[in-house]
Amino acid sequence: DIVMTQAPLSLPVTPGEPASISCRSSQSLLHSNGYYYLDWYLQRPGQSPQLLIFFSSNRASGVPDRFSASGSGTDFTLKISRVEAEDFGVYYCMQGLQTPVTFGGGTKVEIK
Amino acid sequence: QVHLQESGPGLLRPSETLSLVCSVSGGSLSSYYWSWIRQTPGKGLEWIAYVHKSGKTNYNPSLKSRATISIDTSKNEISLTVTSMTAADTAVYSCARHDYGDYKGGLGVWGRGTAVTVSS
Repeated sequence: DIVMTQAPLSLPVTPGEPASISCRSSQSLLHSNGYYYLDWYLQRPGQSPQLLIFFSSNRASGVPDRFSASGSGTDFTLKISRVEAEDFGVYYCMQGLQTPVTFGGGTKVEIK
Repeated sequence: QVHLQESGPGLLRPSETLSLVCSVSGGSLSSYYWSWIRQTPGKGLEWIAYVHKSGKTNYNPSLKSRATISIDTSKNEISLTVTSMTAADTAVYSCARHDYGDYKGGLGVWGRGTAVTVSS
């Protein structure tokens, strides 16, 4: 199985400040079509995960442009330019390159 | 707007079989892959299986062949059964839709999940 490792575990952030989360996979997530098969999700308290980013850097429909993501090979990053109140929660990365699909352990973004 | 609603027994005894149904409204099951995922405080998010209307399925080996996923396009439902349940299977079970063709990620629509507890 591809192991997904996120850092940090917890990220205290002041609203209005930027935030950055890292995700590392145990093997390259590059598909033969040239895309990296990596997603980012946000899970707010009491809710199901919400897709933010797919194919490493593509924002899902309705996701604000303060969210951006990049990466290649085995190293990926999600950035929030200015954290807003609705952005607090747990962020997960997920690889969709091979089954079983696997998730990172999560990064909790909390109010500082 | 598509809506997913999971339903299940809530409480099971050890060794019993879990049967879950994901009812889809506001959209068709056709053309999409559908997955079941479970979540626990200890193990986090764990993908269980996916299914397509073509009959294509795939399972997480961690469940050791105990899981069966199916799709009923006439009822707009995706089902999951897991046999020989143990306390380790206690989790919130959610269904989700893969939004980008045969990409096994891109879970763009999720249900709210149904909590399943296994206890004697």
